[in-house]
Amino acid sequence: GNSVTQMEGPVTLSEEAFLTINCTYTATGYPSLFWYVQYPGEGLQLLLKATKADDKGSNKGFEATYRKETTSFHLEKGSVQVSDSAVYFCALTPYNFNKFYFGSGTKLNVKP
Amino acid sequence: DAGVTQSPTHLIKTRGQQVTLRCSPKSGHDTVSWYQQALGQGPQFIFQYYEEEERQRGNFPDRFSGHQFPNYSSELNVNALLLGDSALYLCASSRKFVGLSGANVLTFGAGSRLTVL
Repeated sequence: GNSVTQMEGPVTLSEEAFLTINCTYTATGYPSLFWYVQYPGEGLQLLLKATKADDKGSNKGFEATYRKETTSFHLEKGSVQVSDSAVYFCALTPYNFNKFYFGSGTKLNVKP
Repeated sequence: DAGVTQSPTHLIKTRGQQVTLRCSPKSGHDTVSWYQQALGQGPQFIFQYYEEEERQRGNFPDRFSGHQFPNYSSELNVNALLLGDSALYLCASSRKFVGLSGANVLTFGAGSRLTVL
């Protein structure tokens, strides 16, 4: 089957700290992988994606590398800002299926 | 360019009632999916509509039904509401076909928050 497991939060960091949010998956076939972010009171916004093994997705200083050998897609950022405080969701979709499977989300709090 | 719009933003119902939620997809998108997000959880897939037909369905009972109109907009209907149906209902739109090198990307609306008392 298909599923996504994320590290539980909340994660609390000081501004300019290094961020890692772990994500592992199980999937049939070769899925595409995504990170979405949800700010308070809003829907989910696409942060980055990777469509095949060893691809690196990046956006706004965030990065994640599709690791097929470890079935992982960990999210990293070198220096977080207060404005990065949000809930982050790891997700996958089997190729061309359009149905997305989401992790349970990791809340990030960044303190000034 | 308007993104995905949903209405209403908030609503309160009582057990046993019925509710209809509405969604207009992003311009250029032809596929609409609905997700249920319980408090503190990730979104769970309800179903997907393309060409006015339900194409895929998640693990939700028949009380959940939907419709897609010729202009690609969509409705989600939930009958015989239960307390456990309280959640944020997210509509997401996408293009059905993205080509061999692409990955389908969902564009989400802000959601409709349903409270069942």
